Formats: sequence, C-alpha cells, structure tokens
Amino acid sequence: EVQLVESGGGLVKPGGSLRLSCAASGFIFSDPWMSWVRQAPGKGLEWVGRIKSKTDGGTTDYAAPVKGRFTVSRDDSKNTLYLQMDSLKTEDTAVYYCSTLLTFGGVIVMAYWGQGTLVTVSS
Amino acid sequence: DIQMTQSPSSLSASVGDRVTITCRASQTIASYLNWYQQKPGKAPNLLIYAASSLQSGVPSRFSGSGSGTDFTLSISSLQPEDFGTYYCQQSYNTPTFGQGTKVEIK
Repeated sequence: EVQLVESGGGLVKPGGSLRLSCAASGFIFSDPWMSWVRQAPGKGLEWVGRIKSKTDGGTTDYAAPVKGRFTVSRDDSKNTLYLQMDSLKTEDTAVYYCSTLLTFGGVIVMAYWGQGTLVTVSS
Repeated sequence: DIQMTQSPSSLSASVGDRVTITCRASQTIASYLNWYQQKPGKAPNLLIYAASSLQSGVPSRFSGSGSGTDFTLSISSLQPEDFGTYYCQQSYNTPTFGQGTKVEIK
C-alpha cells in the first residue's frame, strides 16, 4: 500500500525557515516524480513545486509565488521528499501535501497524496 | 501559466440528481485534464484523468468529457457520499488547479 507521511510543519515567524519531509513507502520511491501542493485555510489547492526522478534528470520546477524561496529535494536512499522553505511570508500559511506524479493514459496525475502538514507563518 | 476556471463555485443538489461541473482552460490543453474530489479535512482523491478516464475504484456514476479548452465532470445520480469540493487540474505544463466547486447535498 502506498503511504506518504508529511512532517515538519509548525508555527514560524515571517522571514523564518522550515523544512518539511514526506516519508514514502509501498512503492519504489526513486521511480516517480514527486510534488508539493498547498492549501491555505478555507481556500483551494495550489501547486508549489515538483522534482523529477533522477532517471529523468532530477530537475525541479516551482510556482511563481515560491520561486527563489522554496527548494524541493529528494533522498532516494531514505525514501524521503523535502521542501525547504525560506523567507516565509504570512501568505505561505497552509496545509502542505506531498503527492506522487504518475503517468496515466499519457497524462501526469497526482495519484497518491499524504495527509498534509500545517505550516503557520505568524508573528 | 495556464488559468483554469470552474463553474459554478458551489451547488446544492438532491440525492439522485444529475450534477455537472465545468472547467475552462485559458489556452488549449488537449486532454491533459484531471479531476479530484476533496472532503473536509482530507487530502484530494483522483477521480478522472486524461479528461475522460475513470480512476480505478471510482464509481461509474462519475464521468468526464471534453478536450481543448472546455471540460465537464458529471455525476449521473448524486449520492450522499458525493459531498465535497471538486477540482480540475491541467497537466499540459506546470500544474494549475481550478478554484474548486463545492457540492452540497440538499
């Protein structure tokens, strides 16, 4: 069974940093691309960033609001995805989900999701 | 970025009703369109991929259609457990989501 478990959320002051982790099990972690998605309180889903598999180059892409402040990385030996968040702003307050990116019918889908971890940026 | 616009933002329908949600892309995305259902306090769940393919385990009352810029998610006979918020998402390039459609049961 695929399991994704996020951790590392909490309360941080504006301008601070936080690192989220996503521990994966039930599949070969090195195979799929992985992604972070966030959801501000009472709001919709917002894609944050993704990292390709090492086989596909291991490169990263980011949404405009977080580019230059957030970094997605992966440690395939530890079956773990990371999100390093620097220069945090109050508008980064959200539940952060990790998800696997798989190709179904030629289309990339967010097939499996973790339960999410809450990040609150407040003074 | 490709903008995704859903309508309506919310709806209330009775058990057994047919429900339709639309999603429009700001540029053509072929069939690179997925639908997710999210229940309060839970992670989203994949319903439909590639515009019209039903994810394994999803009830057949759910269906998707469309290509290019206009897409539709339909529920043929609304059930009590179908409450929640539905999101479309394009994967033509870096992902973007629609703003969501909240479905309530009358």
